[in-house]
Amino acid sequence: EAGVTQFPSHSVIEKGQTVTLRCDPISGHDNLYWYRRVMGKEIKFLLHFVKESKQDESGMPNNRFLAERTGGTYSTLKVQPAELEDSGVYFCASSQDLGGAKYFGPGTRLTVL
Amino acid sequence: DQQVKQNSPSLSVQEGRISILNCDYTNSMFDYFLWYKKYPAEGPTFLISISSIKDKNEDGRFTVFLNKSAKHLSLHIVPSQPGDSAVYFCAASAPGANSKLTFGKGITLSVRP
Repeated sequence: EAGVTQFPSHSVIEKGQTVTLRCDPISGHDNLYWYRRVMGKEIKFLLHFVKESKQDESGMPNNRFLAERTGGTYSTLKVQPAELEDSGVYFCASSQDLGGAKYFGPGTRLTVL
Repeated sequence: DQQVKQNSPSLSVQEGRISILNCDYTNSMFDYFLWYKKYPAEGPTFLISISSIKDKNEDGRFTVFLNKSAKHLSLHIVPSQPGDSAVYFCAASAPGANSKLTFGKGITLSVRP
């Protein structure tokens, strides 16, 4: 069974540009989460989808971040316009059940110059 | 305000000995705790979990102990192997429709051959 996949693995952009990250969860997992780790700090929750619906987006930093999950399958996270402080590793995770373990993808390392 | 704390940034142990990784939490609503292991350039990999109704959970070489009164949990790895060298994250979740994870900053474990 394929795990959670993320694309791209790395992205280097300039301040003010737009970047879109993609996550493909494990097949059949209704719950999809986005997390972010800024260098040296803890991994922080961004938002949670149940199928195509946003269950909780309390961790989204500001309105420059837009997440979508059309059709309840893959998800995208768009940052527009990107700022220097957006640099970090963005992880996607999925799970079948709410209470169980979340399975993480390899992450996308975003560098904003 | 960090709700999950891993106060020791690193730990070095000899191969074959026991590794004990500690984690403290402040939110008394947390009822489910997980340990993740992370290699460089990879996403966190689920290792073991424990519910607050238990005080111990064991899976092979890995055992997690939970002390609710002290709001403390620990991960024991016995015997430690060089392949265990990685960053270990403690995470917790509270009951509810979200079950988002709150992470600590991680501990870097080095197992010396």
